[in-house]
Amino acid sequence: AQSVTQPDIHITVSEGASLELRCNYSYGATPYLFWYVQSPGQGLQLLLKYFSGDTLVQGIKGFEAEFKRSQSSFNLRKPSVHWSDAAEYFCAVGTSGNTPLVFGKGTRLSVIA
Amino acid sequence: GAVVSQHPSRVICKSGTSVKIECRSLDFQATTMFWYRQFPKKSLMLMATSNEGSKATYEQGVEKDKFLINHASLTLSTLTVTSAHPEDSSFYICSARSGTSGNQETQYFGPGTRLLVL
Repeated sequence: AQSVTQPDIHITVSEGASLELRCNYSYGATPYLFWYVQSPGQGLQLLLKYFSGDTLVQGIKGFEAEFKRSQSSFNLRKPSVHWSDAAEYFCAVGTSGNTPLVFGKGTRLSVIA
Repeated sequence: GAVVSQHPSRVICKSGTSVKIECRSLDFQATTMFWYRQFPKKSLMLMATSNEGSKATYEQGVEKDKFLINHASLTLSTLTVTSAHPEDSSFYICSARSGTSGNQETQYFGPGTRLLVL
């Protein structure tokens, strides 16, 4: 069965600092990997996704993520965080067919001045 | 593209009444829709998978008679919380999966519906 682990429940960074959110997955084959962001009281917005090909994926809002098969990781990065990036971030893994995505428990990002 | 809407965004109802939440894919046909429940500061809990024209598949522990799901068309799924009780108060989020080739594994989420049962 697939599983996703986001080791950090809460991270605080200063505005302008770099960010890395960790995500590890467990799946037998090459998974489809996603990062979503959720602002308070809102739904989830897709930041980026990896299906195949280049292991460094660019997303919206200046985010990128790198798929590392050897480490079963798909960490999310941003070189310079803005206050508006404060939100909950979810990593998810999926497969083909009608099976739903499996989500991690999320990492809450706080941004301080 | 890939916009999913939910209606209503917020609803308050009395205990014992039923509430219907609509989930629509606005610019694509969704062969599969999913319903999630989210408790405060928690991750998403999958409730059911809904395929157009067939019965929904419910996750273990989710009462199918209480949470009625209908997926009547490729752009609309509804969740009806029957005889709602205060413990049903939660944030309900739907997502839709596009059937288009190369993109069918991506789920697009609605903005969520906040349900408060008094």
